[in-house]
Parts: sequence; C-alpha cells; structure tokens
Amino acid sequence: EIVLTQSPGTLSLSPGERAILSCRASQSVTGNCFAWYQQKPGQAPRLLIHGASSRATGIPDRFSGSGSGTDFTLTINRLEPEDFAVYYCQQYSTSPFNFGPGTKVDI
Amino acid sequence: QVQLQESGPGLVKPLETLSLTCAVSGYSISSGYYWGCVRQSPEKGLEWIGNMHHSGITHYNPSLRSRLTFSMDTSKNQLSLKLTSMTAADTAIYYCVADVGSGAYFDYWGQGILVTVSS
Repeated sequence: EIVLTQSPGTLSLSPGERAILSCRASQSVTGNCFAWYQQKPGQAPRLLIHGASSRATGIPDRFSGSGSGTDFTLTINRLEPEDFAVYYCQQYSTSPFNFGPGTKVDI
Repeated sequence: QVQLQESGPGLVKPLETLSLTCAVSGYSISSGYYWGCVRQSPEKGLEWIGNMHHSGITHYNPSLRSRLTFSMDTSKNQLSLKLTSMTAADTAIYYCVADVGSGAYFDYWGQGILVTVSS
C-alpha cells in the first residue's frame, strides 16, 4: 500500500504569508489521483484539491496544488485567518486510498 | 446540495457489530456517485473504510474487508454499514462521504458520529 508522509508537522505563520505544505508518497501515485483536505476543530474535512491541481467547487484561488509521481505540494497564498487548520493529503490511485498524517498550520 | 447524516450507536461492546446508517438528502443515491465511509481516530488518523455504488459495486479497505459489509436502501435513500467483531482499535469518528467524481476522493462529508468500543 502507498504510505503518505507530510511535512512539516506544524507550520507557524502569520496572516498574509504563504504556506507551502508537502506530501511524499512511498510509491508513485498514478494518474495524478491526489487530493488535499482542510479540517478545522470539531468539523469534518473539506475537499480543497483533487487531481493534484484542480480546485474543488467554491475553493478560493489562493489554494493551489501541484506535483506528480511521489511529491505533491499544497500552496496557500496570502493566508487568511480562516485558513489556520490541519491539512491532509490523500492518494486515490491504489487501494487502500490512504491519507497522510496531516500538517497543522497555526499562527 | 448533497447532505449526509450519520446515525448509529455511540457505544458498542467489544466483539459486537457496529450498524451505521448514512441518510442522504439533496441527491438520489440511485442516480449515481459512490457513497461510503471514512473514520478518524487519534491513533490512526483518517482511514478510508470503503464505498458503494447503487449498481452494487463495492470497494473495501483490504484491512477491514473480512469484517465489513455495505448495503443500500434506495427507497430510503440511505447507505448502511456493518462492521463485525469490533475492538477498541475501531473506536473513532465515523464519517459518511460522497464521491461524485468516481475517483475515490470525497466531495461531501457528514458531520461524523463518535463510536466508542467499550464494555
């Protein structure tokens, strides 16, 4: 199975700054079958990105995804106060469709 | 707008079976999409459980396949999950999810239900 590793574990930034989150897969993710989610305390995760770089419906364009193969990146430009949350990556090219352990973006 | 609502017991005894229901509103499950579950625990993080299409196609996490069954009731527009032989390791928040892109990523999530396994 594909194991996902996210770095850093915690990212401490200020509003207005750029966040760069990384996710590395233990083997190649084919077809760019890769997604990113945001989760705030007490809430379910929310889909941000699918297909490695396609924003989900209603997601602001300050969120962007990139990468292929084993290395993927989520970039959040100009952090807004509501962006401070935990971010998870997920691969869906090979079952089981595993998630990464998460990166916390905090102030 | 698709909405999902989980219902089921908050407490399950060890070795008993969890029966969870996902009620869907805003979309007919017989029209398409995949419907399934993801769980979350501090120990394991987010874990994909499996999903089902109204045609009967199912995909199960291999680690749970031997204990897991999905079924659909299209007249009630709901998905049901049964997970047998529950242990403390199955304690988690269980989320119902909808995959509208047929890609096993999850566009819609329910609010989640905490299931604790304890005697």
